[in-house]
Amino acid sequence: NAGVTQTPKFQVLKTGQSMTLQCAQDMNHEYMSWYRQDPGMGLRLIHYSVGAGITDQGEVPNGYNVSRSTTEDFPLRLLSAAPSQTSVYFCASSTSSSGELFFGEGSRLTVL
Amino acid sequence: AQSVSQHNHHVILSEAASLELGCNYSYGGTVNLFWYVQYPGQHLQLLLKYFSGDPLVKGIKGFEAEFIKSKFSFNLRKPSVQWSDTAEYFCAVRAGSARQLTFGSGTQLTVLP
Repeated sequence: NAGVTQTPKFQVLKTGQSMTLQCAQDMNHEYMSWYRQDPGMGLRLIHYSVGAGITDQGEVPNGYNVSRSTTEDFPLRLLSAAPSQTSVYFCASSTSSSGELFFGEGSRLTVL
Repeated sequence: AQSVSQHNHHVILSEAASLELGCNYSYGGTVNLFWYVQYPGQHLQLLLKYFSGDPLVKGIKGFEAEFIKSKFSFNLRKPSVQWSDTAEYFCAVRAGSARQLTFGSGTQLTVLP
């Protein structure tokens, strides 16, 4: 199984540009989420979804949009990138009962 | 909102030394607890988890953790570390019926050969 797949792995943007980080899982998990990882701050939750058509904000949602049109996909959109969004982004999914998150390999984003 | 504290930011040990990484959380109700490991350049992987039952849980690669409810703690232990244990370790909590996990800030473990 592929598990959780994220693309791209690396991206460099200029301030003000937009982009979408893709996330797909093939485990039929209801729950999907996006975290950002910054040195000394651990992982902070950006947005999450408990099923198709349902999304909610996490701890640091500003500057990011998400949608969940299918169970498999949960893209993260940056509408106008800022240097403060330079980070490593992880997508993760889980079943409704386990709570155990399965992570993608991460996407390293640099905003100049 | 719940929070998770990992007080050790960077731990340096020699091979064969014993390891204990602290994790404390702030939530008074039922919790699910997790330890994840991130090897250099890789994504997070589950080391072990506690849902209920025996408060001493064993995970992969010889790691174990003990849930002490009265202390709101879930410390990670390993009797004898190896160079290959060099990684960053994250404690995480799921509080009550919430779906999301809250992570601590992580502890970087460096094991010297």
